[in-house]
Amino acid sequence: DSGVTQTPKHLITATGQRVTLRCSPRSGDLSVYWYQQSLDQGLQFLIQYYNGEERAKGNILERFSAQQFPDLHSELNLSSLELGDSALYFCASSVEGSGVTHTQYFGPGTRLTVL
Amino acid sequence: AQTVTQSQPEMSVQEAETVTLSCTYDTSESDYYLFWYKQPPSRQMILVIRQEAYKQQNATENRFSVNFQKAAKSFSLKISDSQLGDAAMYFCAYRSARSRYGGSQGNLIFGKGTKLSVKP
Repeated sequence: DSGVTQTPKHLITATGQRVTLRCSPRSGDLSVYWYQQSLDQGLQFLIQYYNGEERAKGNILERFSAQQFPDLHSELNLSSLELGDSALYFCASSVEGSGVTHTQYFGPGTRLTVL
Repeated sequence: AQTVTQSQPEMSVQEAETVTLSCTYDTSESDYYLFWYKQPPSRQMILVIRQEAYKQQNATENRFSVNFQKAAKSFSLKISDSQLGDAAMYFCAYRSARSRYGGSQGNLIFGKGTKLSVKP
């Protein structure tokens, strides 16, 4: 158990809908990363938050957004869903700062299926 | 931009034998971290081993060790005494070390993965 939790584990929805994925980082970790794993694109970085602020953006679509709350949990919002958004979405957390290795620990993922 | 390449889509090893998974990367940075993650059928991403680029000594974790060749930009994973539970996808990943000095970005860049099968 990595200490990172994600809900829900599975999500089935229809095209055009909107969903919210939730992540709670490990105790003490201020950074949260979101990744998408699909068969054709592999593991891709979407977005990073650090202590409530957006720090970096990767290959995140405009239809997707995220936020990190004061209690450090994070939500990834996916809207106007398309068939191609079906994937496994991972959240990872890490300690940031000098003198640490910045290892990212992953949650179990949320499997999204868009029908 | 940094890239990570795993040239072996699939590999197979006999139980109790040793296998080496290859990984090469491309970067212009001198300070970074490298990781191997394991993804079993459960799809959980599990950290196997990590290496700091500034360390010359190769990292070791029980049956797992790496051969880190900085000049060649190579980072292979050796699994000794392979077990059935080692069967999984293995991903090599790169991360900039800029965050170590208070910078911001620290996302992982992954290779495409190597599927390892273990034969009893």
